[in-house]
Parts: sequence; C-alpha cells; structure tokens
Amino acid sequence: DAGVTQSPTHLIKTRGQQVTLRCSPKSGHDTVSWYQQALGQGPQFIFQYYEEEERQRGNFPDRFSGHQFPNYSSELNVNALWLGDSALYLCASSLLLPRLRGTDTQYFGPGTRLTVL
Amino acid sequence: AQKVTQAQTEISVVEKEDVTLDCVYETRDTTYYLFWYKQPPSGELVFLIRRNSFDEQNEISGRYSWNFQKSTSSFNFTITASQVVDSAVYFCALSEIRGSTLGRLYFGRGTQLTVWP
Repeated sequence: DAGVTQSPTHLIKTRGQQVTLRCSPKSGHDTVSWYQQALGQGPQFIFQYYEEEERQRGNFPDRFSGHQFPNYSSELNVNALWLGDSALYLCASSLLLPRLRGTDTQYFGPGTRLTVL
Repeated sequence: AQKVTQAQTEISVVEKEDVTLDCVYETRDTTYYLFWYKQPPSGELVFLIRRNSFDEQNEISGRYSWNFQKSTSSFNFTITASQVVDSAVYFCALSEIRGSTLGRLYFGRGTQLTVWP
C-alpha cells in the first residue's frame, strides 16, 4: 500500500521565480491538503483540494495556488518567490467522507524542502 | 478560532525515563478531532493517535499512552521507558469537522524531545 509521495525532495530557487511541487495521495484517498512548515514552527495550512476544487484555504496570498487532477494527485504552485517562502512543504491525504472508523486521519508525505536565495 | 498550545519547547531525558508532553487546545466546536504526530529529523510527519471529542477514554499502546480531558481542554501524551529512537519533534493538532467531513489541521509549535543514552 503506497503512502503519500512528494517530489522533488529538495529545491533551490531565487527570488521572483516560480515553483511547482507535486503530491500523490495514499491509495484510496481523494482529498489532498498542503501545509507550509517554517523552521522551528508547526505546519500551517495552505489549502485543501477535493474533486479538483479548492475546499478550504488558509491565510496565504494568491501567489500560492494549486490544482488537483482526476487521479487525485495535486500540485502546489508558488509565484514570485520571496525569501520567506523558504520552508518544508508538506502534503497530506485523507478521505473527505470517512467511511470506516480509523480512516478519518490525514497522512503526510516526506515533504519538499524549498530554499529561496 | 481554533488554537493548539504546546508550552514545552524542548525536553531532554535520559533513556528509560518516562516523559509527558503537554497539549492544550481551544475550540468553540463541540465536535472535533485531536491528533499527535511525530516528526523525526527526516521531516515526515508520522501519525500516532487520533481522538474524537466524544471519546474521552484514555488509551495505552505499548510504551505510549494518552490522557484526554475535555474539562481542562488537554490532550497529553506520555512515553514510558523512553528510548533514543523516540527523539523527535512531537506535534499536537486539532481538526475541525464540518458535517461528516474532515477539515484542516491546526498544529501546535511542537515539542523537541531528546532522549540521551
């Protein structure tokens, strides 16, 4: 049973550039959430996708956008990168409507570490 | 608004000691989930336990145990006979529930646990 996968593992960009991060959810999951984790902080919610639509959004600017594909995989795009965007970006997958006890949990991937110079 | 507080930033213990990680939460919702995740140096968030707001039964799983008390809005986590491999950052998180759907996670700032041999 494949878990959540993310690519790339590490990425280095310069200010003003654009970046795309990718996530494949755990087998059987239909919902993908993205989180940003700055050094020494807890993860902060960016947004959540279900059925290719953004369901919820955290307090992040429009420079952060996403997409979900028919196979439930997802992309996170960040435009006009700032130094402050340097962080670990975590993807989590879950079932929107848990059908069985024990399935109402978000499972996380290994993350993509983004460095903006 | 939802809020999770982990007052302990860092804890150091010697192997075989017991250690308790504290978590206090705030929410106006009557239905919610609480989680503990472990984040080793590799960065991936590993799910440990989930509790819903209707289930105050405490649980023991091997060396891990959890104490959920709605009256004090606390969800504490204890490791018995700690081991070096327990060294990691531990996050407490709260999830809102809208209808029967699992919403975003609100994380605390994490507690860095170091277990010395």
